[in-house]
Amino acid sequence: DAKTTQPPSMDCAEGRAANLPCNHSTISGNEYVYWYRQIHSQGPQYIIHGLKNNETNEMASLIITEDRKSSTLILPHATLRDTAVYYCIVLYGQNFVFGPGTRLSVLP
Amino acid sequence: DAGVTQSPTHLIKTRGQHVTLRCSPISGHKSVSWYQQVLGQGPQFIFQYYEKEERGRGNFPDRFSARQFPNYSSELNVNALLLGDSALYLCASSGRGSPFLSSYNEQFFGPGTRLTVL
Repeated sequence: DAKTTQPPSMDCAEGRAANLPCNHSTISGNEYVYWYRQIHSQGPQYIIHGLKNNETNEMASLIITEDRKSSTLILPHATLRDTAVYYCIVLYGQNFVFGPGTRLSVLP
Repeated sequence: DAGVTQSPTHLIKTRGQHVTLRCSPISGHKSVSWYQQVLGQGPQFIFQYYEKEERGRGNFPDRFSARQFPNYSSELNVNALLLGDSALYLCASSGRGSPFLSSYNEQFFGPGTRLTVL
């Protein structure tokens, strides 16, 4: 499995965009990038995933660089309820290996 | 559709005892995975079952075992409990199709079972 590197913590002002980076320099051509988040004491929640192209859904946008060695999860208008630990995972047909993730704090 | 359900929600055991945790996947999902999450860390993969067969196993001792039933529900068993087994045990279901579809790993997690070993 490709390894990922994320900053341990980030702050974001409520209503502003939260941009969470992830480095995955050893990603292989068929490995997808997945993002999950975990709000305190709950099970992780799926956010978005992508392979090469940028993706957008009702929760977030995923920007993957052309060389696929890094990606950014964008929460366009962060709310206090977006405070959580965000996990970036890369894999293909395998099982998730969760790293420590990024603890995002949305501040009022 | 009901989400992934797990039982019990909380459990207290003593060292050396045995525990069984249960998981019901989302209707139509054929894959169930189990994770252990120790306080302050990300979830660690324990097992995956797909169509009632073990498809993956993480780096856990043989004290940990699991099975999947014909209705795709699953049980995780832990024998000879240690203090270090205290954790949140998460179950996730996925797989409306082949394991090699991109949507396969869109896993849906249950609320977890909090196990405390004294």
